[in-house]
Amino acid sequence: GAGVSQSPSNKVTEKGKDVELRCDPISGHTALYWYRQRLGQGLEFLIYFQGNSAPDKSGLPSDRFSAERTGESVSTLTIQRTQQEDSAVYLCASSLDHIAQYFGPGTRLTVL
Amino acid sequence: EDQVTQSPEALRLQEGESSSLNCSYTVSGLRGLFWYRQDPGKGPEFLFTLYSAGEEKEKERLKATLTKKESFLHITAPKPEDSATYLCAVQAGGGGNKLTFGTGTQLKVEL
Repeated sequence: GAGVSQSPSNKVTEKGKDVELRCDPISGHTALYWYRQRLGQGLEFLIYFQGNSAPDKSGLPSDRFSAERTGESVSTLTIQRTQQEDSAVYLCASSLDHIAQYFGPGTRLTVL
Repeated sequence: EDQVTQSPEALRLQEGESSSLNCSYTVSGLRGLFWYRQDPGKGPEFLFTLYSAGEEKEKERLKATLTKKESFLHITAPKPEDSATYLCAVQAGGGGNKLTFGTGTQLKVEL
């Protein structure tokens, strides 16, 4: 079956611009996660959605970052007024239970 | 704060040369320890989940083990296609469902 998909695969933007990253989870997966992977660093948790519960936003690094999820489907991660330190690979994952999170291919964001 | 430390940072093996990767962790109430494989330019691929000390899981040439302080990923008779970065992550009992990752071990298997 189809895995987690993300778009775009690459995004180059200018400092100060807003960007939107999209994630399509595996069908039926109730949980959706966003992580950030900076070069040479481990994955950092950003935000977690579980069904209709309030999202866990504890990993968002600043108020420039926000995310939404429509029901149990698509999610968008928005970064406002991008900064150079936002350059990273943004990874989305989904899970049916707590056993395993399945990751998408990521969006590589470059802020010039 | 949950912490995961992986060693070595990089490992170069000859084909058929078995070895082990280490993942040391501190977590408040371990719910699960996860191993992932990540190829360049791709997202992490799930390998194993371990839940309690003494547990072992195997998949092809890989075997993961868990103690109260660390996990090992043993690679038996590796092949060049096993070359990848191996990531370890923990999920804490009281920390929601987020994973805390180590920085990974970059494995290269040469002919």
